[in-house]
Amino acid sequence: NAGVTQTPKFQVLKTGQSMTLQCAQDMNHEYMSWYRQDPGMGLRLIHYSVGAGITDQGEVPNGYNVSRSTTEDFPLRLLSAAPSQTSVYFCASSPQSIGELFFGEGSRLTVL
Amino acid sequence: DAKTTQPNSMESNEEEPVHLPCNHSTISGTDYIHWYRQLPSQGPEYVIHGLTSNVNNRMASLAIAEDRKSSTLILHRATLRDAAVYYCILRVTNQGGKLIFGQGTELSVKP
Repeated sequence: NAGVTQTPKFQVLKTGQSMTLQCAQDMNHEYMSWYRQDPGMGLRLIHYSVGAGITDQGEVPNGYNVSRSTTEDFPLRLLSAAPSQTSVYFCASSPQSIGELFFGEGSRLTVL
Repeated sequence: DAKTTQPNSMESNEEEPVHLPCNHSTISGTDYIHWYRQLPSQGPEYVIHGLTSNVNNRMASLAIAEDRKSSTLILHRATLRDAAVYYCILRVTNQGGKLIFGQGTELSVKP
């Protein structure tokens, strides 16, 4: 059972480039979410989804887009990368809106 | 957004119990109390969650105050592997179940 899989694990971008962080889960979870964690800080919610076709903004959505076309996948798109988006990104999922959240291993992004 | 307040850091001795407090005075009736921990360079790991009654699992116990405005995570016998940042979070069911993390409590365990 793979759980929550994030790719890539590491990425270096130049300012202005775009990219997509992939998140996939094989547990048939309805709820999925993206967080970012800056050095020495807690996690901040970027976007979340309560099911296929439904997404909503979290605390820090600016500069990021998401879509949820399938239950399994929840990609995070950086439209025009900025140095302020240098961070570790975590994807998480849960079976419904009240239970345990399962986290991926994280994707470390550096924007030069 | 529903907020929680935790001490920035706590210390414990190995093999002793640890009580990690959390205040959540603005909790609403349908919000679940969740605890996660994060070891260095790893993603958060679920510890326990509850709504009104105290909860126990293999990792810890969660004691919830009668008015639900505070809770305590109890590690019965701290080990060196329990050194981590512990996050107390409210899962807001009337906002799609989103979880907003606070700063957490950094627990250090002395041998």
